[in-house]
Amino acid sequence: AQSVTQPDIHITVSEGASLELRCNYSYGATPYLFWYVQSPGQGLQLLLKYFSGDTLVQGIKGFEAEFKRSQSSFNLRKPSVHWSDAAEYFCAVGPPDSNYQLIWGAGTKLIIKP
Amino acid sequence: DAMVIQNPRYQVTQFGKPVTLSCSQTLNHNVMYWYQQKSSQAPKLLFHYYDKDFNNEADTPDNFQSRRPNTSFCFLDIRSPGLGDAAMYLCATSTDSYEQYFGPGTRLTVT
Repeated sequence: AQSVTQPDIHITVSEGASLELRCNYSYGATPYLFWYVQSPGQGLQLLLKYFSGDTLVQGIKGFEAEFKRSQSSFNLRKPSVHWSDAAEYFCAVGPPDSNYQLIWGAGTKLIIKP
Repeated sequence: DAMVIQNPRYQVTQFGKPVTLSCSQTLNHNVMYWYQQKSSQAPKLLFHYYDKDFNNEADTPDNFQSRRPNTSFCFLDIRSPGLGDAAMYLCATSTDSYEQYFGPGTRLTVT
């Protein structure tokens, strides 16, 4: 079955430190890949996406993600986090045969230490 | 700016009292989705419209219905809300794509 795994439920990072959030998917072919961010009580905002081409993609708010086909991973990174990055981050996958539906990871809650 | 709008942002209803949540979009996207999201969980797709074609998820309770009278508007009707239906309801849109644009959500409380 198709699935998306975000192995870290919570991550705590000091302000100014680097960040990496992990995402692995289970699907035979390369799906479309997304990272969304959700602040408390808000909707989801698209951070970045991968459809094809360069495996390192740049997103908004200084985030980037790298697609690694051999590891079925699409990890999100930021070199230096800010307190305003505290939020929940969701990885989502769009298998090409899914009629435009996304499969969602469980989310990783990012906590920023001052 | 083009956007997805959800009204109301907060809705309180009584157990068993029907409630309607609304979503409108100025993006002119042909696909609209309704998700239910409970605290600290991923969004769960309830149903989606591809143009006028309605697609219901197999595990969406019959208590949940939807209407899409035109491209811009979509409604979620909960016929008899139970305490377990308290959640954030998210509307999203896309255009022949997997890239979904979300509204701010409606927080539903059932008393």
